[in-house]
Amino acid sequence: GENVEQHPSTLSVQEGDSAVIKCTYSDSASNYFPWYKQELGKGPQLIIDIRSNVGEKKDQRIAVTLNKTAKHFSLHITETQPEDSAVYFCASGSYIPTFGRGTSLIVHP
Amino acid sequence: EAGVTQSPTHLIKTRGQQATLRCSPISGHTSVYWYQQALGLGLQFLLWYDEGEERNRGNFPPRFSGRQFPNYSSELNVNALELEDSALYLCASSLEGGNWGGQPQHFGDGTRLSIL
Repeated sequence: GENVEQHPSTLSVQEGDSAVIKCTYSDSASNYFPWYKQELGKGPQLIIDIRSNVGEKKDQRIAVTLNKTAKHFSLHITETQPEDSAVYFCASGSYIPTFGRGTSLIVHP
Repeated sequence: EAGVTQSPTHLIKTRGQQATLRCSPISGHTSVYWYQQALGLGLQFLLWYDEGEERNRGNFPPRFSGRQFPNYSSELNVNALELEDSALYLCASSLEGGNWGGQPQHFGDGTRLSIL
């Protein structure tokens, strides 16, 4: 089955810095790669996604890049703000989803 | 637009009991997914229902089961509860889209199941 590795498990940055979270996957048939943000006491919220026919996608301060050859994809957050503090999950798969273990992002004011 | 709603918010049970968790999808969504989120772990896929049918299930024992009703709401049943079943159970819904990635999934805030 699919295996998804997510790094780092914890990321601490200063407000205004950039943050990068990386995921690698094993199933070459995986074709959909979403990123979710989960705040304390809430369910995950989809923040951006990318499909296998696209290499990069941006939405304001958030971007995702995909390298299918190397089987990895990354979340980039620029100009981080304290409200970006949360746990971020990546996911991939071809028929059913496999999630990474999450990255706790802490943005210090 | 109302989001995905789950009930109850918290559920406390003892070992060997049975638990029923409920999920109402976003209006117009026909697919419902269930996930288990144990402390410190990512989301583990449990079950996927679409148009009333179970389409796929994750690597969980048969005591985890569920169903989807004609109005697309769903319930998850866990029988013979064990201590390791303590977790946050999340429900997500999407428009009908076939396999994973057909349509984005929208999550509820979960049911916290605690086994004593």
